[in-house]
Amino acid sequence: QSALTQPPSASGSPGQSVTISCTGTSSDVGGYDHVSWYQQHPGKAPKLMIYEVNKRPSGVPDRVSGSKSDNTASLTVSGLQAEDEADYYCCSYGGNNNPYVFGTGTKVTVL
Amino acid sequence: EVQLVESGGGLVQPGGSLKLSCAASGFSFKTSWMAWLRQAPGKGLEWVANINPDGSETYYLDSMRGRFTISRDNAKDSVYLQIRSLRTEDTDVYYCARHLHWAFDYWGQGTLLTVSS
Repeated sequence: QSALTQPPSASGSPGQSVTISCTGTSSDVGGYDHVSWYQQHPGKAPKLMIYEVNKRPSGVPDRVSGSKSDNTASLTVSGLQAEDEADYYCCSYGGNNNPYVFGTGTKVTVL
Repeated sequence: EVQLVESGGGLVQPGGSLKLSCAASGFSFKTSWMAWLRQAPGKGLEWVANINPDGSETYYLDSMRGRFTISRDNAKDSVYLQIRSLRTEDTDVYYCARHLHWAFDYWGQGTLLTVSS
């Protein structure tokens, strides 16, 4: 079972946008619309930011959005704020034999 | 307010066993799928296991099948993870989470398990 591939880091200035990619295969990301994204601040539990590719849970601002094309999902955070500085992980359902696989994680830095 | 509180972590010797607990409140536990996930210090997240609302269906990461057992007690609003034949590589923070819409929407604060002699 291989982890989904994310860039190790991404950055942007306050007010700018940052987009994080999450690349899998046709057996996970490309095969299901079951991609979710999590934000994790140091020493804290992960927080769900996006589920089912592009749906936001209650309380997540609309400047956070998700999308998917073929085997790659993306998370975009617009209007960057200092509080957005954190690690971000994608996750995809991968079928009965490999139910859930996470990405390698991306550290977002607000310059 | 939804709360998930894990307990049971600590220092355990290799080869030993441990049962982690997670107490839930603030939502309908008995109708919820639940999950355990883990994270090595400074590393990424890894899904461990899921369990359906009545406990009749369980799913595991292939590499953990056999040593890990997820269970629940709906009368106590609690979910458990038993780990046998502990290895040093099981040293992780273990999180319980509610599983909904193919995602994990509420997480506990985690409990640290250290496997070392």
